Amino acid sequence: DSGVTQTPKHLITATGQRVTLRCSPRSGDLSVYWYQQSLDQGLQFLIQYYNGEERAKGNILERFSAQQFPDLHSELNLSSLELGDSALYFCASSLTGRGTDTQYFGPGTRLTVL
Amino acid sequence: QQPVQSPQAVILREGEDAVINCSSSKALYSVHWYRQKHGEAPVFLMILLKGGEQKGHEKISASFNEKKQQSSLYLTASQLSYSGTYFCGTEEDKAAGNKLTFGGGTRVLVKP
Repeated sequence: DSGVTQTPKHLITATGQRVTLRCSPRSGDLSVYWYQQSLDQGLQFLIQYYNGEERAKGNILERFSAQQFPDLHSELNLSSLELGDSALYFCASSLTGRGTDTQYFGPGTRLTVL
Repeated sequence: QQPVQSPQAVILREGEDAVINCSSSKALYSVHWYRQKHGEAPVFLMILLKGGEQKGHEKISASFNEKKQQSSLYLTASQLSYSGTYFCGTEEDKAAGNKLTFGGGTRVLVKP
């Protein structure tokens, strides 16, 4: 158990819908990361937050948005869902958000878009 | 750009050794190694930093060749628990937060 929690564990929804994935970092960690893992694209970095501010951005679609709240939990919002958005979404957290940090991954949310 | 991992898959007998390579076309600041079992979260193994510093949590070793921009993960005297998919994540810019670009993974199966 990494100490990072994600809810829900599974999510099944229809195309065109909007969903919110939630992540609570390990106690004391200030930085949160979101990753998407699909069979054809592998593990892709989406976005990083540090203490409420966006720190780095990766291959995140405009239909996706995220934020980190004052209590440091983070939410990833996915809208206008398409079949290709079906994937495992991981949240990770680290202490300072710097390159020497270890990122600890949560158990993931499996999203299925029908 | 995504780092390239090789081999894509390897099958070992318990006790055998294996090497997994991770190569990048860009100058790297750090390389992070993770192992993921099917349906589970990636688990941190090791960080290698430019300059040779190495941080790890398990009895698995690795190296980082800065001239070649290549890292190698050494599985020595493999155990059944080593089975899983190994990913390297690379970071190019120390100032760019901790944005990792992951390779495609190497599937390792250790048989009794």
